[in-house]
Amino acid sequence: QKEVEQDPGPLSVPEGAIVSLNCTYSNSAFQYFMWYRQYSRKGPELLMYTYSSGNKEDGRFTAQVDKSSKYISLFIRDSQPSDSATYLCAMSGVTSGTYKYIFGTGTRLKVLA
Amino acid sequence: IAGITQAPTSQILAAGRRMTLRCTQDMRHNAMYWYRQDLGLGLRLIHYSNTAGTTGKGEVPDGYSVSRANTDDFPLTLASAVPSQTSVYFCASSDHPTGGRGYTFGSGTRLTVV
Repeated sequence: QKEVEQDPGPLSVPEGAIVSLNCTYSNSAFQYFMWYRQYSRKGPELLMYTYSSGNKEDGRFTAQVDKSSKYISLFIRDSQPSDSATYLCAMSGVTSGTYKYIFGTGTRLKVLA
Repeated sequence: IAGITQAPTSQILAAGRRMTLRCTQDMRHNAMYWYRQDLGLGLRLIHYSNTAGTTGKGEVPDGYSVSRANTDDFPLTLASAVPSQTSVYFCASSDHPTGGRGYTFGSGTRLTVV
């Protein structure tokens, strides 16, 4: 079993839709949870990070962490064609005395005009 | 503009050749990282450096070496390239000692080994 699971998509939605992107993980030691956006042929760009459980909102983006279920989500409201990209979740923490930072494989999102 | 500069942006390399991928940051971040990104496998850590003068091995270090002579530069060297090293390589940095607040990535180097 992978430590982080993320549906690769592609996920196609119409412009204006609410998008839900998700990751599940298995290591309860993870404390920081990040979402990155990666446009084609570009490097990943940090969108948001959250420490421990709870919600965090930044404009049209909301990140949620449910540590009891080992499940994190990124919601995009009023999605735009410019949101079309691959979204990577990431998480970090100390496990067995070793610091670990791992990425999901990414979900490809297409927002159709 | 603050960030990470990687060079070259792309390269076709003959197998067996030596190649150094360059990475420079101007944010004075202590920690720097090299990742490779392959379809279906995501980002995998090759080597990292928590501070100038120190380096460590990541998940897939074989065939690669790094050095960290100063804060700004973190070159990645392929001593003798093989086709399985065909990939997109990203350099990243972090100001948080454990990267918890996220990484800043460069634009990548697309390497093809033939």
